[in-house]
Amino acid sequence: QVHLVESGGGVVQPGGSLRLSCAASGLIFSSYAMHWVRQAPGKGLEWVAFIRHDGRTKHHADSVKGRFTISRDDSKSTLYLQMNGLRPEDTAVYYCAQGFSPVGEFANWGQGALVTVSS
Amino acid sequence: QPVLTQPPSVSAAPGQKVTISCSGSSSNIGNNYVSWFQQLPGTAPRLLIYDNNKRPSGIPDRFSGSKSGTSATLGITGLQTGDEADYYCGTWDRSLSTNWVFGGGTKLTVL
Repeated sequence: QVHLVESGGGVVQPGGSLRLSCAASGLIFSSYAMHWVRQAPGKGLEWVAFIRHDGRTKHHADSVKGRFTISRDDSKSTLYLQMNGLRPEDTAVYYCAQGFSPVGEFANWGQGALVTVSS
Repeated sequence: QPVLTQPPSVSAAPGQKVTISCSGSSSNIGNNYVSWFQQLPGTAPRLLIYDNNKRPSGIPDRFSGSKSGTSATLGITGLQTGDEADYYCGTWDRSLSTNWVFGGGTKLTVL
């Protein structure tokens, strides 16, 4: 059974930085692309970033491009999201999710990590 | 403003059927597979439908998906109170860059 666990959330001031981690188990992590998705309080889902299984291809949403960076460490079966230049509108629950699989994208999701950007 | 358009809310009585629409364009739905997700209150989203109309293991056949042109539809039959949730469509969008896009979400109320 696939298990994804996010960590690293918290409260940060505007302009600050935070790094989220997503520890994966129950799958051969290096074989799968991964996503980050966020959900602001009371709002819908917003895709944030994607990284291919080999790490060679990355895509970021325009809203975070140049500020956020997705990366992975296959030796630790861990996905990361480095967030710099944080803004109040980045306040959200951040989910990691499994990429392309026999059942398409987003077959499995983590429980989410809350990031609050506030002074 | 979400790239994919969904109705904000739908409602129906227990045992009835409901459909949720998802409208896009040729850069997303028109040329890519559509997925549907269910998000129960206070929980992470769950994959309901992938590749337009396929159900992952464990998803009841009360849930179905279809696609025509640049629109997709989620159908739920035999509504139960436990189906009350937010539903999202999603797909790849390859217009100016490659992004995954979600619809704005539809709140299903089972009266």
